[in-house]
Amino acid sequence: EAQVTQNPRYLITVTGKKLTVTCSQNMNHEYMSWYRQDPGLGLRQIYYSMNVEATDKGDVPEGYKVSRKEKRNFPLILESPSPNQTSLYFCASSLSTTGGTEAFFGQGTRLTVV
Amino acid sequence: SQQGEEDPQALSIQEGENATMNCSYKTSINNLQWYRQNSGRGLVHLILIRSNEREKHSGRLRVTLDTSKKSSSLLITASRAADTASYFCATDARGNTPLVFGKGTRLSVIA
Repeated sequence: EAQVTQNPRYLITVTGKKLTVTCSQNMNHEYMSWYRQDPGLGLRQIYYSMNVEATDKGDVPEGYKVSRKEKRNFPLILESPSPNQTSLYFCASSLSTTGGTEAFFGQGTRLTVV
Repeated sequence: SQQGEEDPQALSIQEGENATMNCSYKTSINNLQWYRQNSGRGLVHLILIRSNEREKHSGRLRVTLDTSKKSSSLLITASRAADTASYFCATDARGNTPLVFGKGTRLSVIA
């Protein structure tokens, strides 16, 4: 089954404790991205990747890191989480980097930083 | 960024009625897509319309695109309670540009 898998689905952590949210897709997609969703603000892009070893900042990259060492995986790293990073996070992938193809989303990771 | 803006922010209708949501955007686009999100879940792609297309249908969904007005509409006909969800438009421009989402319309269909 074609899918994007995020883990964990739920996470509660403390300020400053490094964490990684994993994302994996099994569709051989070139393009992957991370979004955060907050009430009243919609989806905002954090980082995206056009291909292996090619990543770029989105609209809200501060406090986040990503890596794309393999085509299928695109982990999101919070080196020192803060309460303002409490949010619902989505990973997405799509076939093409030039647009015009649908994005497939993971089920989301609800992160709470206390 | 060329974020789309959906209108209205929230819409409540009776089952069987039609629901219309609008999306406006700021800069020229290559494609516009509509997605659906059930509460707290991942977004699911509904339909894509290219900049050279004016209308597209998929089942009970009808999407129109007016590039001169930089706007699109999503019509859901004969709505059902199961259509209750948030609906987002997303746009991309020419070249290697990321997909940018609007803030969404929350649709409630009352049985």
